[in-house]
Amino acid sequence: NAGVTQTPKFRILKIGQSMTLQCTQDMNHNYMYWYRQDPGMGLKLIYYSVGAGITDKGEVPNGYNVSRSTTEDFPLRLELAAPSQTSVYFCASTPALAGAHLYNEQFFGPGTRLTVL
Amino acid sequence: GENVEQHPSTLSVQEGDSAVIKCTYSDSASNYFPWYKQELGKGPQLIIDIRSNVGEKKDQRIAVTLNKTAKHFSLHITETQPEDSAVYFCAASNWLNTGNQFYFGTGTSLTVIP
Repeated sequence: NAGVTQTPKFRILKIGQSMTLQCTQDMNHNYMYWYRQDPGMGLKLIYYSVGAGITDKGEVPNGYNVSRSTTEDFPLRLELAAPSQTSVYFCASTPALAGAHLYNEQFFGPGTRLTVL
Repeated sequence: GENVEQHPSTLSVQEGDSAVIKCTYSDSASNYFPWYKQELGKGPQLIIDIRSNVGEKKDQRIAVTLNKTAKHFSLHITETQPEDSAVYFCAASNWLNTGNQFYFGTGTSLTVIP
Protein backbone atom coordinates (compact mmCIF):
# COMPACT_ATOMS: atom_id res chain seq x y z
CA ASN A 1 0.00 0.00 0.00
CA ALA A 2 1.17 3.53 -0.78
CA GLY A 3 -0.77 4.84 2.23
CA VAL A 4 -1.76 8.51 2.03
CA THR A 5 -0.32 10.41 -0.91
CA GLN A 6 -0.44 14.15 -1.51
CA THR A 7 0.34 16.26 -4.55
CA PRO A 8 1.98 18.62 -5.16
CA LYS A 9 4.82 18.65 -2.62
CA PHE A 10 5.47 22.35 -3.08
CA ARG A 11 3.54 25.20 -4.69
CA ILE A 12 3.84 28.96 -4.91
CA LEU A 13 0.66 30.89 -5.64
CA LYS A 14 -0.04 34.55 -6.28
CA ILE A 15 -2.73 36.31 -4.27
CA GLY A 16 -6.14 35.60 -5.75
CA GLN A 17 -5.14 32.46 -7.62
CA SER A 18 -6.87 29.17 -6.99
CA MET A 19 -5.61 25.62 -6.72
CA THR A 20 -6.54 22.14 -5.58
CA LEU A 21 -4.43 20.07 -3.22
CA GLN A 22 -4.85 16.40 -3.98
CA CYS A 23 -5.07 13.62 -1.39
CA THR A 24 -5.52 9.93 -2.05
CA GLN A 25 -5.47 6.93 0.27
CA ASP A 26 -5.44 3.28 -0.75
CA MET A 27 -6.28 1.75 2.64
CA ASN A 28 -10.07 1.90 2.22
CA HIS A 29 -10.34 4.26 5.18
CA ASN A 30 -13.67 5.94 5.77
CA TYR A 31 -12.46 9.01 7.67
CA MET A 32 -10.28 11.61 5.98
CA TYR A 33 -9.00 14.94 7.24
CA TRP A 34 -7.23 18.08 6.09
CA TYR A 35 -4.97 19.97 8.49
CA ARG A 36 -2.77 23.00 8.21
CA GLN A 37 0.42 23.38 10.19
CA ASP A 38 1.87 26.82 10.82
CA PRO A 39 5.35 27.37 12.36
CA GLY A 40 5.33 26.79 16.12
CA MET A 41 1.73 25.68 16.05
CA GLY A 42 0.05 22.35 16.17
CA LEU A 43 -2.12 20.98 13.43
CA LYS A 44 -5.42 22.75 12.91
CA LEU A 45 -8.31 20.86 11.33
CA ILE A 46 -9.71 22.49 8.20
CA TYR A 47 -12.28 19.94 7.00
CA TYR A 48 -13.01 16.30 7.54
CA SER A 49 -15.12 13.57 5.98
CA VAL A 50 -16.63 10.45 7.52
CA GLY A 51 -17.33 8.83 4.16
CA ALA A 52 -17.97 9.44 0.49
CA GLY A 53 -20.46 12.26 -0.01
CA ILE A 54 -20.16 13.55 3.57
CA THR A 55 -17.96 16.47 4.62
CA ASP A 56 -17.92 18.81 7.59
CA LYS A 57 -16.06 21.88 8.79
CA GLY A 58 -13.22 21.74 11.28
CA GLU A 59 -11.66 24.56 13.31
CA VAL A 60 -10.39 26.73 10.43
CA PRO A 61 -12.53 26.17 7.29
CA ASN A 62 -12.71 29.73 5.96
CA GLY A 63 -11.18 30.12 2.51
CA TYR A 64 -11.27 26.39 1.73
CA ASN A 65 -13.65 23.89 0.20
CA VAL A 66 -13.60 20.11 -0.03
CA SER A 67 -15.43 17.31 -1.76
CA ARG A 68 -15.50 13.55 -1.24
CA SER A 69 -16.90 11.78 -4.27
CA THR A 70 -15.00 8.54 -3.64
CA THR A 71 -13.62 6.75 -0.59
CA GLU A 72 -10.08 7.20 -1.89
CA ASP A 73 -9.92 10.91 -2.77
CA PHE A 74 -10.37 14.02 -0.65
CA PRO A 75 -9.21 17.14 -2.53
CA LEU A 76 -8.89 20.53 -0.83
CA ARG A 77 -9.72 23.61 -2.89
CA LEU A 78 -8.41 27.13 -2.33
CA GLU A 79 -10.50 29.55 -4.39
CA LEU A 80 -8.89 32.96 -3.75
CA ALA A 81 -5.46 32.41 -2.26
CA ALA A 82 -4.38 34.83 0.48
CA PRO A 83 -1.00 35.21 2.26
CA SER A 84 -2.66 33.90 5.45
CA GLN A 85 -3.02 30.55 3.70
CA THR A 86 0.75 30.11 3.49
CA SER A 87 1.26 26.91 5.44
CA VAL A 88 2.04 23.22 5.26
CA TYR A 89 -1.05 21.15 4.53
CA PHE A 90 -1.43 17.56 5.68
CA CYS A 91 -4.04 15.06 4.67
CA ALA A 92 -4.79 12.14 6.98
CA SER A 93 -7.08 9.14 7.17
CA THR A 94 -8.32 6.62 9.71
CA PRO A 95 -10.40 3.47 9.43
CA ALA A 96 -13.98 3.60 10.61
CA LEU A 97 -14.92 2.34 14.06
CA ALA A 98 -15.07 -1.44 13.90
CA GLY A 99 -16.58 -3.60 16.59
CA ALA A 100 -14.64 -3.33 19.82
CA HIS A 101 -11.97 -1.10 18.30
CA LEU A 102 -12.94 2.21 19.83
CA TYR A 103 -9.89 3.97 18.47
CA ASN A 104 -7.83 3.90 15.35
CA GLU A 105 -4.48 5.25 14.22
CA GLN A 106 -4.48 8.35 12.06
CA PHE A 107 -2.21 8.02 9.01
CA PHE A 108 -0.70 11.19 7.56
CA GLY A 109 0.49 12.06 4.09
CA PRO A 110 3.88 13.75 3.51
CA GLY A 111 2.40 17.25 3.25
CA THR A 112 2.15 20.06 0.72
CA ARG A 113 4.11 23.25 1.38
CA LEU A 114 2.13 26.19 0.01
CA THR A 115 3.39 29.76 -0.24
CA VAL A 116 1.08 32.61 -1.26
CA LEU A 117 2.84 35.77 -2.40
CA GLY B 1 -14.39 22.42 21.90
CA GLU B 2 -11.31 20.65 23.17
CA ASN B 3 -8.16 22.63 24.04
CA VAL B 4 -4.82 20.81 24.27
CA GLU B 5 -1.78 22.51 25.77
CA GLN B 6 1.72 21.05 25.45
CA HIS B 7 4.95 21.83 27.31
CA PRO B 8 7.79 22.45 26.85
CA SER B 9 8.00 23.85 23.34
CA THR B 10 11.69 22.93 23.09
CA LEU B 11 13.70 20.35 24.98
CA SER B 12 17.38 19.44 24.79
CA VAL B 13 18.78 16.38 26.52
CA GLN B 14 22.06 14.52 26.54
CA GLU B 15 22.11 11.18 24.81
CA GLY B 16 21.13 8.49 27.27
CA ASP B 17 19.08 10.81 29.48
CA SER B 18 15.30 10.75 29.74
CA ALA B 19 12.88 13.22 28.15
CA VAL B 20 9.39 14.06 29.40
CA ILE B 21 6.75 16.02 27.49
CA LYS B 22 3.47 16.99 29.15
CA CYS B 23 0.04 17.79 27.78
CA THR B 24 -3.22 18.92 29.35
CA TYR B 25 -6.69 18.76 27.86
CA SER B 26 -9.94 20.47 28.71
CA ASP B 27 -12.76 18.18 27.57
CA SER B 28 -13.45 15.37 30.02
CA ALA B 29 -15.22 13.47 27.19
CA SER B 30 -11.91 12.92 25.36
CA ASN B 31 -11.04 9.25 25.51
CA TYR B 32 -8.13 8.66 23.15
CA PHE B 33 -4.69 10.28 23.43
CA PRO B 34 -2.11 9.60 20.71
CA TRP B 35 1.44 10.89 20.46
CA TYR B 36 3.03 11.65 17.11
CA LYS B 37 6.63 12.09 16.01
CA GLN B 38 7.33 14.39 13.10
CA GLU B 39 10.70 14.32 11.40
CA LEU B 40 11.84 17.17 9.21
CA GLY B 41 9.92 17.36 5.95
CA LYS B 42 7.60 14.48 6.80
CA GLY B 43 4.10 13.97 8.08
CA PRO B 44 3.45 13.05 11.73
CA GLN B 45 3.66 9.38 12.59
CA LEU B 46 2.00 7.68 15.53
CA ILE B 47 4.48 6.39 18.12
CA ILE B 48 2.23 5.47 21.03
CA ASP B 49 -1.32 6.03 22.18
CA ILE B 50 -3.45 5.49 25.26
CA ARG B 51 -7.15 5.13 25.90
CA SER B 52 -9.01 6.66 28.81
CA ASN B 53 -9.52 3.31 30.54
CA VAL B 54 -5.76 2.81 30.90
CA GLY B 55 -3.38 4.72 33.19
CA GLU B 56 -0.06 3.80 31.61
CA LYS B 57 1.27 2.16 28.49
CA LYS B 58 4.82 1.28 27.57
CA ASP B 59 6.53 0.30 24.34
CA GLN B 60 10.26 -0.33 24.70
CA ARG B 61 11.87 3.06 25.45
CA ILE B 62 8.70 5.12 25.27
CA ALA B 63 5.81 5.27 27.70
CA VAL B 64 2.69 7.35 28.13
CA THR B 65 0.85 8.07 31.35
CA LEU B 66 -2.68 9.43 31.72
CA ASN B 67 -4.29 11.14 34.69
CA LYS B 68 -7.99 11.53 33.86
CA THR B 69 -8.82 13.38 37.07
CA ALA B 70 -6.24 16.06 36.40
CA LYS B 71 -6.78 15.88 32.64
CA HIS B 72 -3.14 15.51 31.74
CA PHE B 73 -1.00 12.96 29.97
CA SER B 74 2.74 12.69 29.44
CA LEU B 75 5.22 11.11 27.08
CA HIS B 76 8.35 9.59 28.57
CA ILE B 77 11.37 8.63 26.47
CA THR B 78 14.17 6.81 28.26
CA GLU B 79 17.76 6.22 27.11
CA THR B 80 17.38 8.86 24.43
CA GLN B 81 19.26 8.49 21.17
CA PRO B 82 20.12 11.06 18.47
CA GLU B 83 17.46 9.54 16.20
CA ASP B 84 14.83 10.55 18.77
CA SER B 85 15.44 14.18 17.73
CA ALA B 86 12.19 15.39 16.16
CA VAL B 87 9.04 17.35 16.90
CA TYR B 88 6.54 15.52 19.09
CA PHE B 89 2.83 16.28 19.16
CA CYS B 90 0.20 15.14 21.60
CA ALA B 91 -3.45 14.97 20.64
CA ALA B 92 -6.84 14.30 22.20
CA SER B 93 -9.91 12.83 20.62
CA ASN B 94 -13.36 11.53 21.45
CA TRP B 95 -14.10 8.41 19.47
CA LEU B 96 -17.73 8.49 20.47
CA ASN B 97 -18.28 11.70 18.51
CA THR B 98 -19.09 11.63 14.83
CA GLY B 99 -16.03 12.33 12.74
CA ASN B 100 -13.56 11.71 15.55
CA GLN B 101 -11.87 15.09 15.44
CA PHE B 102 -8.33 15.18 16.78
CA TYR B 103 -7.10 18.22 18.70
CA PHE B 104 -3.35 18.72 18.70
CA GLY B 105 -0.89 20.36 21.04
CA THR B 106 1.55 22.92 19.65
CA GLY B 107 4.48 20.51 19.56
CA THR B 108 7.78 19.96 21.36
CA SER B 109 11.04 20.13 19.46
CA LEU B 110 13.31 17.53 21.06
CA THR B 111 17.05 17.64 20.45
CA VAL B 112 19.21 14.78 21.70
CA ILE B 113 22.82 15.89 22.01
CA PRO B 114 25.35 13.10 21.27
